[in-house]
Amino acid sequence: KAGVTQTPRYLIKTRGQQVTLSCSPISGHRSVSWYQQTPGQGLQFLFEYFSETQRNKGNFPGRFSGRQFSNSRSEMNVSTLELGDSALYLCASSFRSGNTEAFFGQGTRLTVV
Amino acid sequence: KQEVTQIPAALSVPEGENLVLNCSFTDSAIYNLQWFRQDPGKGLTSLLLIQSSQREQTSGRLNASLDKSSGRSTLYIAASQPGDSATYLCAVWAAYSGAGSYQLTFGKGTKLSVIP
Repeated sequence: KAGVTQTPRYLIKTRGQQVTLSCSPISGHRSVSWYQQTPGQGLQFLFEYFSETQRNKGNFPGRFSGRQFSNSRSEMNVSTLELGDSALYLCASSFRSGNTEAFFGQGTRLTVV
Repeated sequence: KQEVTQIPAALSVPEGENLVLNCSFTDSAIYNLQWFRQDPGKGLTSLLLIQSSQREQTSGRLNASLDKSSGRSTLYIAASQPGDSATYLCAVWAAYSGAGSYQLTFGKGTKLSVIP
């Protein structure tokens, strides 16, 4: 059974650009959540999608957005990149968030220069 | 607002030692609790999920306990090995605004080094 796949693994972008990250969940999982990990703040929740609907959003500016497709694959987009957006972005997949185990991908390392 | 604290922040032990990692959370209204392991520059590997109705969960040399009323969980690692060296993260599942939506709130982790 394939795990959670995130692409790309590494990205270098310039301030002001935008970026799109992709996450393919485990087959059959309908919940996809995104987290940002930085050395200072640790892991912080960005948003959760379930059956193509955003159900919950963390305390991040509107520059951070996402979507989920009918096959449960999800993308997140960050517009007008800032230096502080440099982080490891992690995607979590679960059958149904809350009472089932969450499985994470390897992450996308975003560096903004 | 739920807050998760992990103590100690770092731990160094000789190979073969049994050890305990601690996790505390401020709001006992959690749904479940999950322990993860993270190797440098990598994603998170799920170790154990403890549902709110359970008191403990075991997987191999790992045993995790949960006491919701006191807001505490512990991860016990038996007979530690150098390959156990990693950062261990505790996370609680809790419901937030939005019907049926839950999110994980993480602690900052305990960085474990097992010395051969």
